[in-house]
Amino acid sequence: SQTIHQWPATLVQPVGSPLSLECTVEGTSNPNLYWYRQAAGRGLQLLFYSVGIGQISSEVPQNLSASRPQDRQFILSSKKLLLSDSGFYLCASERGGGNEQFFGPGTRLTVL
Amino acid sequence: TQLLEQSPQFLSIQEGENLTVYCNSSSVFSSLQWYRQEPGEGPVLLVTVVTGGEVKKLKRLTFQFGDARKDSSLHITAAQPGDTGLYLCAGAVNNQGGKLIFGQGTELSVKP
Repeated sequence: SQTIHQWPATLVQPVGSPLSLECTVEGTSNPNLYWYRQAAGRGLQLLFYSVGIGQISSEVPQNLSASRPQDRQFILSSKKLLLSDSGFYLCASERGGGNEQFFGPGTRLTVL
Repeated sequence: TQLLEQSPQFLSIQEGENLTVYCNSSSVFSSLQWYRQEPGEGPVLLVTVVTGGEVKKLKRLTFQFGDARKDSSLHITAAQPGDTGLYLCAGAVNNQGGKLIFGQGTELSVKP
């Protein structure tokens, strides 16, 4: 079974600072990978997805970007954080065409 | 824009009561997943339904996929405090790769 790691678990950053969140996947190869943001106790908003190395699709306009330098590594970045970037960021992996996504433990980002 | 409307948004009940959560859409889904999420953690997959009219049971939880594959329900019998959490439905749309559309979630609180 696949395991998704995310770090850091929590992060407090000032407005205007850069961001780098990392997600790595074990136990599978060539997965589709996803970045979501979740407001408190609510549904998930898809930010980016990737079907392979170097292939990134953006779902919503924003000041965030994503990269996939390796098959099982997915990175979420920003050059300058905004207050509105605060939230719970989840990485997910999907493999096998069954549409079932497996989630990492998430990163709680607070921008002050 | 494809939407998946989930209701109710909040539900507070006593231990032993029954409850039903609904997800409705005007879109047809190739499959639908139900997840459960605890605070500060990633969602955990409970079940996937694929066939119209399909019913799946997981102990005291019963999941149903509508005949037209546009809606789904989750019924919990004799709820227990351990059922407390955020329940999310997510639908997979044909020709959208592995992307899922998430409902806004139902926050369930079961009081002893």
